Amino acid sequence: AQRVTQPEKLLSVFKGAPVELKCNYSYSGSPELFWYVQYSRQRLQLLLRHISRESIKGFTADLNKGETSFHLKKPFAQEEDSAMYYCALRGPSGNTPLVFGKGTRLSVIA
Amino acid sequence: GAVVSQHPSWVICKSGTSVKIECRSLDFQATTMFWYRQFPKQSLMLMATSNEGSKATYEQGVEKDKFLINHASLTLSTLTVTSAHPEDSSFYICSARVSSYYEQYFGPGTRLTVT
Repeated sequence: AQRVTQPEKLLSVFKGAPVELKCNYSYSGSPELFWYVQYSRQRLQLLLRHISRESIKGFTADLNKGETSFHLKKPFAQEEDSAMYYCALRGPSGNTPLVFGKGTRLSVIA
Repeated sequence: GAVVSQHPSWVICKSGTSVKIECRSLDFQATTMFWYRQFPKQSLMLMATSNEGSKATYEQGVEKDKFLINHASLTLSTLTVTSAHPEDSSFYICSARVSSYYEQYFGPGTRLTVT
């Protein structure tokens, strides 16, 4: 069965501190992994997908197949990073819909 | 970028009535649309997947006769909640994509309150 686990409901950090949002997954095969972000009163939007290997807004995420993890990291948190973050997966080549984790609310304190 | 709209953004209806929610892809043709449901402070739960011109595929536990999905064109999908009950009150979000390789784009959501 496919599953995405985000163990932290809420993560509070001070501005300038490093951030790591944890995501572990369960999937038979090689899924595509994503991070989505939802700012207050806005729609869900794509932040990162593992196949792109990009850094968006200072965030990076590395797929670790051995640990089945896709943790989201940023070296220096900014206040504008405060939002809800969802880890998601889908089957290879996008042949299944996105399945989401429960989300982690990141609060960056000034 | 690709935009997905939903209408209405907020609806209140009486128990026993039906309500229709529209999802449109504004600047692209969506071969596949998805409907999710989100309870307060919880994650998005996939309800169904619909391909244009085909019957929707519902997730386990989602009542097909209660949540009617129509994907009549490449830019429009509708979700009709039939005989709504208070427990159907939720945030409904649609998502659309061009094809399987591409990103899923999300609508802003529709908040349904059944009184």
